[in-house]
Amino acid sequence: QSALTQPASVSGSPGQSITISCTGSSSDVGGYTYVSWYQQHPNKAPKLMIYDVTNRPSGVSNRFSGSKSGNTASLTISGLQAEDEADYYCNSYTSGNTYVFGTGTKVTVL
Amino acid sequence: QSQLQESGPGLVKPSETLSLTCNVSGGSIGGNNYYWGWIRQPPVKGLEWIASFYNFGSPYYNPSLRSRVTVSVDTSKNQFSLDLSSVTVADTAVYYCARSLKEGTDDAFEIWGQGTMVTVSS
Repeated sequence: QSALTQPASVSGSPGQSITISCTGSSSDVGGYTYVSWYQQHPNKAPKLMIYDVTNRPSGVSNRFSGSKSGNTASLTISGLQAEDEADYYCNSYTSGNTYVFGTGTKVTVL
Repeated sequence: QSQLQESGPGLVKPSETLSLTCNVSGGSIGGNNYYWGWIRQPPVKGLEWIASFYNFGSPYYNPSLRSRVTVSVDTSKNQFSLDLSSVTVADTAVYYCARSLKEGTDDAFEIWGQGTMVTVSS
């Protein structure tokens, strides 16, 4: 199974909004509502930010939101803060009862 | 709130079997319906899902690793394990164990171990 496609990097200034895309196919992102997003700071374990496309786990800031259109899911970070600088990965359920991560996006706060 | 901790050798020789254990504290593996999983991350690369399982069902594996991977659970020790056979340098990575966000669903991992670095080298 091939990794989902994410932009290598996205940047924005503090206070701005940025959006990270995650493109797959009808066999994964487009076919199911099981898309999640993870934030990973250097040398740290990933942290779940969004699950089931749009839902935030308890404790995650409402500045993080998720959506999906067709075969592409998106994570939007509004009111960008310095602490948001990290790597972000999407993950999707696929046909065949497996999961696949995205290629990862480095977010830089200018 | 459960806590997870990976353990195992940090160095494995090529062609041998990599064996890791994930110790679970703060909750019983056998006393709930959470899903558990293994994920890895090669140096300066992205995350790769390895396997997921549920206490009362069969594990399911990444197709690219299926022929070499086995996961098992020991409820008496409150831990689960990963075996990866015939390793090569490409299996060098940080290995994470994780627990699902909700009982009965496996689509998101909420709780992660700190990760353990495994290097494959002779």
